[in-house]
Amino acid sequence: DAGVIQSPRHEVTEMGQEVTLRCKPISGHDYLFWYRQTMMRGLELLIYFNNNVPIDDSGMPEDRFSAKMPNASFSTLKIQPSEPRDSAVYFCASSLPDSQETQYFGPGTRLLVL
Amino acid sequence: LAKTTQPISMDSYEGQEVNITCSHNNIATNDYITWYQQFPSQGPRFIIQGYKTKVTNEVASLFIPADRKSSTLSLPRVSLSDTAVYYCLVGDTGRRALTFGSGTRLQVQP
Repeated sequence: DAGVIQSPRHEVTEMGQEVTLRCKPISGHDYLFWYRQTMMRGLELLIYFNNNVPIDDSGMPEDRFSAKMPNASFSTLKIQPSEPRDSAVYFCASSLPDSQETQYFGPGTRLLVL
Repeated sequence: LAKTTQPISMDSYEGQEVNITCSHNNIATNDYITWYQQFPSQGPRFIIQGYKTKVTNEVASLFIPADRKSSTLSLPRVSLSDTAVYYCLVGDTGRRALTFGSGTRLQVQP
């Protein structure tokens, strides 16, 4: 398996622009997680899905952030409008239902909002 | 959520054994202890998980005392490639959200 796939790997945009991050979980994994990592705040859970349904979005910072999972093999995290403080590395992770503490992380998307 | 406390950083030399201890005084009965490793510019990677006593795999060993209020990750004979941040996490297998602390930054010198 190729592991969790994220795209793009790097994104530079200007404040106010819409940003869409994409994730393909490992096949057969029915849990999908979005994290954000910054130097100041460390690694934070934003939202997670189970069988394509959002279970906990309490980590989503504000309404500018939204996440969807239209099918078992694809998820998006959208920021609209983006702000400089959104600059971070965004990770997607997936896991099997019987390995609830073992999450497999993607390589991350490094976002820079100017 | 059980809060974890681990050293901010550690230094070691190649070939040495490294032990990183994590405190989790408020660990709950259903909580497991899991360690992740993160290299620069990569996502965290699962290393090892345990509930009590000792667990060993090809990468590391995890020692958990009877009271489970702490755990120690042991890396035998580290190499330069073990330079990374190591996170200790405590969570209920029935819960989904993992809370990553600040981790321990291990620097291995030649």
